[in-house]
Amino acid sequence: DQQVKQNSPSLSVQEGRISILNCDYTNSMFDYFLWYKKYPAEGPTFLISISSIKDKNEDGRFTVFLNKSAKHLSLHIVPSQPGDSAVYFCAATTWEGGSEKLVFGKGTKLTVNP
Amino acid sequence: EPEVTQTPSHQVTQMGQEVILRCVPISNHLYFYWYRQILGQKVEFLVSFYNNEISEKSEIFDDQFSVERPDGSNFTLKIRSTKLEDSAMYFCASSEPAPRQYFGPGTRLTVT
Repeated sequence: DQQVKQNSPSLSVQEGRISILNCDYTNSMFDYFLWYKKYPAEGPTFLISISSIKDKNEDGRFTVFLNKSAKHLSLHIVPSQPGDSAVYFCAATTWEGGSEKLVFGKGTKLTVNP
Repeated sequence: EPEVTQTPSHQVTQMGQEVILRCVPISNHLYFYWYRQILGQKVEFLVSFYNNEISEKSEIFDDQFSVERPDGSNFTLKIRSTKLEDSAMYFCASSEPAPRQYFGPGTRLTVT
């Protein structure tokens, strides 16, 4: 049961251009969404998050957009840098103030070419 | 920034053996988690732990698995009798009362 879907296993962009990573979800109870970045042989590292009461959150080069009616979110990286090359995971939770689990997508491998 | 640490980084064990994976969560965090990632697949939730008891567990977390917080700093995952299909990266995570979870670097478990 794929509650969180990342349909693009890979994405390749040129340095300086925009990277757009997409994520869809099926569970309408999800109310908080997070993006994690993962390098090989390391654990997932938090990047940015968004609550379901917002439609946009920005942090430096990273912006996450949420479209609740479409159950879709996207991560924009502008400008993309070679150091951004990693696997990006979308995660979702029904956060109630405790130890609610994260549900992850399968990830998208981003390659930023110099 | 404070980090979650995990030991060992790589554990090789024979099928049927017991393994204990260790984690030191961030010191002021109250919520602890184990996830695993089988090669090529997504990160999957195993168990969450709060106030010295399991809050939630997935269907993967069967009777072969157990978690413990033996002292004020460590958080362990025990697999009693390992199977080939337990081979995976195991990630420990911790959090404050907030959705963001902080992940450790993982332990690669190889069952032969």
